[in-house]
Formats: sequence, C-alpha cells, structure tokens
Amino acid sequence: GAGVSQSPSNKVTEKGKDVELRCDPISGHTALYWYRQSLGQGLEFLIYFQGNSAPDKSGLPSDRFSAERTGGSVSTLTIQRTQQEDSAVYLCASSPDTYEQYFGPGTRLTVT
Amino acid sequence: GNSVTQMEGPVTLSEEAFLTINCTYTATGYPSLFWYVQYPGEGLQLLLKATKADDKGSNKGFEATYRKETTSFHLEKGSVQVSDSAVYFCALLNTGGFKTIFGAGTRLFVKA
Repeated sequence: GAGVSQSPSNKVTEKGKDVELRCDPISGHTALYWYRQSLGQGLEFLIYFQGNSAPDKSGLPSDRFSAERTGGSVSTLTIQRTQQEDSAVYLCASSPDTYEQYFGPGTRLTVT
Repeated sequence: GNSVTQMEGPVTLSEEAFLTINCTYTATGYPSLFWYVQYPGEGLQLLLKATKADDKGSNKGFEATYRKETTSFHLEKGSVQVSDSAVYFCALLNTGGFKTIFGAGTRLFVKA
C-alpha cells in the first residue's frame, strides 16, 4: 500500500516568507508526528496529533510554527516569517498506535 | 528525563567487516527500544525493536539486545554490505508514552 508522502520534496524560500509543508499519512493511522532534522543532528520532535484529541505542540520552537490536521488525515505544517535557522529537513511520520512510526521522505527547506 | 546517546560517526568499514554501533539510554520507566535506518534519499524505517530486558531484535542480519543492566542497545552485524550504507538511529519509547526519543544518528559508509 501507499506509504507516507510529503510535498514538496524541496522548498527554497526567501527569509521572511511563509511556507506550508504537507503530509499525507498512511490511511487509517491515527497518530501523526512532525519532526525537524538539521544537518548532523537527530530528530527534533515538533508536534503530535492523535485522532481527534488536541495536539501536543510542546516541541514547536516558536509561535511562527503551527500545524493542523484536517479530518484526521492530511496535515500541514506552516512556518511564518521564515528565518535562516529554519533551514532543515522536515519529516512527517504516522503510526497506527504510537509504537512503530512510518516516515515520509521529508521536505528539505532552504531559507536564503 | 529520557535520552538516547549513540556513537558519533561516520563509521567507515570495508565490505564483510563486523559492525557495532553503540547506543545507551536514560529512561525513567521501562522503555521499548528501536533502531531505525535512513537510506540515502529515503525516509526513516524501522529496522528492529525490543520491548523488554534481554529481548533481542533482529532483521536483515542486524541484531541488538536490550541490556537493562548496562542501559544499552548496541547494533551489530557480522558482515556488512555496501547496501548497508545509511544513517542509523537508536530510539526509545517509554511505556504508555507517545513521544519516541531519537539519538543523533550514526552514518555508516561501507566500501567495496
């Protein structure tokens, strides 16, 4: 079956612009995660959605970052007024049970 | 708090060499432990897991044993192949939790 997909695969934007990153999870997976992977670093947790519950936003680094998940499926991560330090690979993962996570290929964001 | 520490890379080996990537953890409960692998240009995928002390996870010739006494989960393979070149992430998930904690990743290069 189809895995987790993310779009775009690459995004180059100018400092100060807003960007939206999209994640399509595996159908039926109730849990969805966003992570940030900076060069040479591990995965930094950003946000977690579980079903219809309120998301856990404890990992969002600033109020410029927000995410939503519509209809318990597709999720969008929005970064407003991008800064150069936002440059990273943004990974989305879904899970049927929060145990094993299935990752998308990521979106590489470059802020110039 | 919970954390994962893994050996820094890159690790460079010749084909058919023995591989060990060290991983130690700190956790307040009794976590499940994982190794994820990220091949070039792909998303992370689960390689193996262990849910309790003394469990051995294995897959694709890789093995790791959950050692509670040393809080370790070292990844081993007896004979690496060029196709094993990837970044390997050790991770933990605490019992009843949802947030998987990832190590920084170890890049492995295997030369023919």
